[in-house]
Amino acid sequence: AQKITQTQPGMFVQEKEAVTLDCTYDTSDPSYGLFWYKQPSSGEMIFLIYQGSYDQQNATEGRYSLNFQKARKSANLVISASQLGDSAMYFCAMRGTSGSRLTFGEGTQLTVNP
Amino acid sequence: NAGVTQTPKFQVLKTGQSMTLQCAQDMNHNSMYWYRQDPGMGLRLIYYSASEGTTDKGEVPNGYNVSRLNKREFSLRLESAAPSQTSVYFCASSQSWGELFFGEGSRLTVL
Repeated sequence: AQKITQTQPGMFVQEKEAVTLDCTYDTSDPSYGLFWYKQPSSGEMIFLIYQGSYDQQNATEGRYSLNFQKARKSANLVISASQLGDSAMYFCAMRGTSGSRLTFGEGTQLTVNP
Repeated sequence: NAGVTQTPKFQVLKTGQSMTLQCAQDMNHNSMYWYRQDPGMGLRLIYYSASEGTTDKGEVPNGYNVSRLNKREFSLRLESAAPSQTSVYFCASSQSWGELFFGEGSRLTVL
């Protein structure tokens, strides 16, 4: 079974500062992928970044980077230079080798203050 | 760019009524999914279809049925709606190992 844990129900950050959103996972699959999604108040799900378990380098996409620590089973999302538009719910998710299904965490509500 | 289209976007039902949520994708993806989102619980998988002609149960399949009509379409049916099925429902699609592309969501209220 796969499990994703996001321990921060809510986070606050000042505009232009960096913020880290935590995600830990549990799986027995030898190969897996980790995803982050953003859900603004309008409700749509927006894909942000992907990390494969065998990728040598941490994934980066613009202001988003993934701090992947395989031994600790963590895949934290780092947002640099926060913007007001980053205020949203953020979900960590994982897919293992046992199927195509994606398992989501409970989410972290990020608020960026001016 | 239609992507994933789901209908209806809003629906109010009475307990015991039935309804079908429709989903279609135009990205030629093999896999399709139905999730429900409830406050504080993230997204939970109801059913998924890894490829045309196959469907499998997710975490919370009770009270739902699905049909993978063809490669493009994946419908979710509530045979006898219950207040516990009040939720926001998301359809999604993906290639086998890629990211999920989501529809805009369908808000269902069961009275």
